[in-house]
Amino acid sequence: RKEVEQDPGPFNVPEGATVAFNCTYSNSASQSFFWYRQDCRKEPKLLMSVYSSGNEDGRFTAQLNRASQYISLLIRDSKLSDSATYLCVVLYSSASKIIFGSGTRLSIRP
Amino acid sequence: DAGVTQSPTHLIKTRGQQVTLRCSPKSGHDTVSWYQQALGQGPQFIFQYYEEEERQRGNFPDRFSGHQFPNYSSELNVNALLLGDSALYLCASSLNGRMDEQFFGPGTRLTVL
Repeated sequence: RKEVEQDPGPFNVPEGATVAFNCTYSNSASQSFFWYRQDCRKEPKLLMSVYSSGNEDGRFTAQLNRASQYISLLIRDSKLSDSATYLCVVLYSSASKIIFGSGTRLSIRP
Repeated sequence: DAGVTQSPTHLIKTRGQQVTLRCSPKSGHDTVSWYQQALGQGPQFIFQYYEEEERQRGNFPDRFSGHQFPNYSSELNVNALLLGDSALYLCASSLNGRMDEQFFGPGTRLTVL
């Protein structure tokens, strides 16, 4: 079993829709969590950190559920420009170990 | 504000050869991490350099080695290339040995024939 697992998708949704995807992690010692966005043939870029209390940045909401060991990303009012691969990242601070999920592909259609 | 730069952009090598990839961190950053990203996968952490020393290392063989220079730039060396080393190699920069806020470069696409 992978330490960090994501549904690879693709998620194909119409513009304006709300879409959510989860990422599960296996090691409860995980410390910090992030969502990165990667456009096709480009480098990953930090989208947002995920805090225990949940956090929101415009149309994007990230949540952490430590009990069930997953994080989620919700995108509201999706735009064509949201089409990308979303990478879940788990950082184990004590071991300075970082693991990226394989990514979830999102495609927004007009 | 100069971002992370990497060179070369693309590289083609044959099995058994050696390769050196280069990275300059974002202006003001002093830490460089290297990742390997195979097609359809997420980046896999190779190692991190901070204060000119390898600080952390992922699950990669000794064929993968690196160096950090006094100006914070870094090199990744891969010896005895295998077909399976074909991937996008990404460099990420950050501050003070941290890994929580990294800025990635555009990557070097390595093809091993």
